[in-house]
Amino acid sequence: EVHLLESGGGLVQPGESLRLSCAASGFTFTNFAMSWVRQAPGKGLEWVSDISGSDDTTYYADSVRGRFTVSRDAPKQTLYLQMNSLRAGDTALYYCARRYCNSVKCYFFDSWGQGTLVTVSS
Amino acid sequence: QPVLTQSPSASASLGASVKLTCTLSSGHTSYSIAWHQHQPEKGPRYLMNVDSGGSQNKGDGIPDRFSGSSSGAERYLTISSLQSEDEADYYCQTWGTGFHVFGGGTKLTVL
Repeated sequence: EVHLLESGGGLVQPGESLRLSCAASGFTFTNFAMSWVRQAPGKGLEWVSDISGSDDTTYYADSVRGRFTVSRDAPKQTLYLQMNSLRAGDTALYYCARRYCNSVKCYFFDSWGQGTLVTVSS
Repeated sequence: QPVLTQSPSASASLGASVKLTCTLSSGHTSYSIAWHQHQPEKGPRYLMNVDSGGSQNKGDGIPDRFSGSSSGAERYLTISSLQSEDEADYYCQTWGTGFHVFGGGTKLTVL
């Protein structure tokens, strides 16, 4: 069974940094692209970042590009999101998600974690 | 990039059926989408993906009460025999190289 468990959220001040982790189990981590998705209070889901399974190519939403960095540690089966220069607008529940992939490409999110809360406030 | 439009809310009675709609923006009507259910205090749950021809592939353990279909720019999620636990937010999602887009979500109330 696929299991994704996020951790690392907390309360930080504007301008500070935070690193989120997502421990993955139940599947071969390197065979799948992984993503971060967030939900601000009272808002809908917003894609944040992707990392491919094959060559660690990364992609970012415009709202976080240049401030956030996604990475993965294959032996530890863990996905990370390094968040720098945090702003109040980054306050959200952050979810880790796995992308469905076949031998050709990757597609939609097919598994989700429970989320970790990041609050940016002075 | 595509834009996905969903009605903010929907409601139906216990045991009835409801059809939720996700509309793809002009020029992007061939995109496949995925439906996700988001219950309060839980992580989202993948339900199924639906292509432009109406073919669907459901996630593991998704009941037969949930089905998907398509017509032109619209992608549908139909839930039949509504149960109280179906009360949730429902999001459609599409994707491409370097991006993912979500609809604004539909809050489903089971009366």
